[in-house]
Amino acid sequence: NAGVMQNPRHLVRRRGQEARLRCSPMKGHSHVYWYRQLPEEGLKFMVYLQKENIIDESGMPKERFSAEFPKEGPSILRIQQVVRGDSAAYFCASSPGRLSGANTGELFFGEGSRLTVL
Amino acid sequence: GENVEQHPSTLSVQEGDSAVIKCTYSDSASNYFPWYKQELGKRPQLIIDIRSNVGEKKDQRIAVTLNKTAKHFSLHITETQPEDSAVYFCAAPAAVDSSYKLIFGSGTRLLVRP
Repeated sequence: NAGVMQNPRHLVRRRGQEARLRCSPMKGHSHVYWYRQLPEEGLKFMVYLQKENIIDESGMPKERFSAEFPKEGPSILRIQQVVRGDSAAYFCASSPGRLSGANTGELFFGEGSRLTVL
Repeated sequence: GENVEQHPSTLSVQEGDSAVIKCTYSDSASNYFPWYKQELGKRPQLIIDIRSNVGEKKDQRIAVTLNKTAKHFSLHITETQPEDSAVYFCAAPAAVDSSYKLIFGSGTRLLVRP
């Protein structure tokens, strides 16, 4: 059972370009979370999605950032017109569903996509 | 919403000593408290978690304690080894509709000196 797969692992963009980060959750997981980690800092929640539905995007900047999790295919985090401050590691995590007695509550993280904006 | 605070931000211990990291949370309804370990350049991985119906949980050299009244929980690592050196994050859930998201603390960089 493959874990959470993220690509690309490393992405370099110039200011003003677009960055697209992809995440395929673990098999059987229907919940996807995106977190941003600035250098030497913690994991900041960005957005929580289920298939074809954004559940919570309260941590995502209102402009230039968008996320989707289509019925088929990976979840995508899109950053338009990137700026230097967008340089960070973007982690995707997945879970099977609600926090309950049946689910451990564990989030399974991918290896991250490290975005560098020149 | 849930707010999680973690301290210390850095911790240096001698190999074999114990390390303790503390977190506080704000939402009294929170009922699940995990700890993640992130090695340099790697992904965060769950090392131990606790639910609110117990006060302590142990797994070999690591343990987590929970004080629901005071709304704080702690990670204890005994007999530390150099491979324990990493960044540790605590987390607490924030309810979202019928599900949840995890809010993480700011992290503790643990260095175990040989």
